[in-house]
Amino acid sequence: EIVLTQSPATLSLSPGERATLSCRASQSVSSYLAWYQQKPGQAPRLLIYDASNRATGIPARFSGSGSGTDFTLTISSLEPEDFAVYYCQQRNNWPGTFGQGTKVEIK
Amino acid sequence: QVTLKESGPALVKPTQTLTLTCTFSGFSLSSSGMRINWIRQPPGKALEWLARIDWDDDKFYSTSLKTRLTISKDTSKNQVVLTMTNVDPVDTATYYCARSSVRLNWFDPWGQGTLVTVSS
Repeated sequence: EIVLTQSPATLSLSPGERATLSCRASQSVSSYLAWYQQKPGQAPRLLIYDASNRATGIPARFSGSGSGTDFTLTISSLEPEDFAVYYCQQRNNWPGTFGQGTKVEIK
Repeated sequence: QVTLKESGPALVKPTQTLTLTCTFSGFSLSSSGMRINWIRQPPGKALEWLARIDWDDDKFYSTSLKTRLTISKDTSKNQVVLTMTNVDPVDTATYYCARSSVRLNWFDPWGQGTLVTVSS
């Protein structure tokens, strides 16, 4: 089973700042990686799929990059509604697995 | 608009069977390429994929839970049912259903989730 390690566990930033979240896979997942956003009490929402494609309706301030084992989710300028937990997920190897999440909190 | 909603008991006793229903709208599971997945999240922990059923009735299960899970669909009712036998307190979690498809093989969208507590 592929293990996804997300870092940092918590990111404390202010609105308007840039957020950089990392997801590292224990073996290559090619570009089969997605990012989800989860707000308290809500279901996860797909943000990025296939490493760098924004899902429908996702603002351009969210971008994804990487391939193989190292991936990054960047939020160019944090909006108040962006403070949430972010999960990465791979589907290169069955079954797909999730990372433990990075919490982006208000500093 | 595609929506999914989970329903089921909030409390289940250990060793009992848990039955969860996902009711969806905005698409048909009989349409080629459509899939429904079940995913769970224990309190404060990571997400875990459990099972999937496809438009052609193919079924897939988590290796670690395969012997305890059964997934089925009722296309006429737009529902997918997941049963989990012999539940344990470690099965306490929020259970989500989510759509995926051959075209977009990622979980999108998700239902709101239903919290199931396993306790005597």
